[in-house]
Amino acid sequence: GENVEQHPSTLSVQEGDSAVIKCTYSDSASNYFPWYKQELGKRPQLIIDIRSNVGEKKDQRIAVTLNKTAKHFSLHITETQPEDSAVYFCAAHFFGNEKLTFGTGTRLTIIP
Amino acid sequence: DAGVIQSPRHEVTEMGQEVTLRCKPISGHNSLFWYRQTMMRGLELLIYFNNNVPIDDSGMPEDRFSAKMPNASFSTLKIQPSEPRDSAVYFCASAEGGEQFFGPGTRLTVL
Repeated sequence: GENVEQHPSTLSVQEGDSAVIKCTYSDSASNYFPWYKQELGKRPQLIIDIRSNVGEKKDQRIAVTLNKTAKHFSLHITETQPEDSAVYFCAAHFFGNEKLTFGTGTRLTIIP
Repeated sequence: DAGVIQSPRHEVTEMGQEVTLRCKPISGHNSLFWYRQTMMRGLELLIYFNNNVPIDDSGMPEDRFSAKMPNASFSTLKIQPSEPRDSAVYFCASAEGGEQFFGPGTRLTVL
């Protein structure tokens, strides 16, 4: 089955700097890669996703890149703000199999 | 749409009691997922349904756990008998075409 590894497990960044979280996946048939943000005590919420026919996708301060050959994808947050502090999860799935395989999460802390 | 609805939001029970968690998926979504989240084990998929049929229950920890989806708008996760190690936040999520939407979760505490 699919295996997703996520690094780092914790990340502290000065406010205004950029943050990068990286994930690798094992199943080359995976073709959908969402990122979820979970604030303390709340539900995971989808913040951005990318499909395997695209190499990069951007939404304001958030971007995701995908390298299918290397089987890794990354989340980039620029101009970080205190409200970006949360746990971020990457995930992967093969379209047609609705199951998502999640990474273990990255706790991001923005230092004011 | 109100999103995925879960009840109760909090449940405190004593060891040995039966616990039933409920979920109403987003209307029109054909897949439903039950997850468990703890600090130690992270986010674990317990079971998922597609068109009300259980597809993968390999994550269900043991026979004390069971899940049903009698129709497209309702699912239950039951633990009988409950144990302290079942204490966790249980999330339900629904999906259509890959993108999963999570409910607010049920925080279960078994004393």
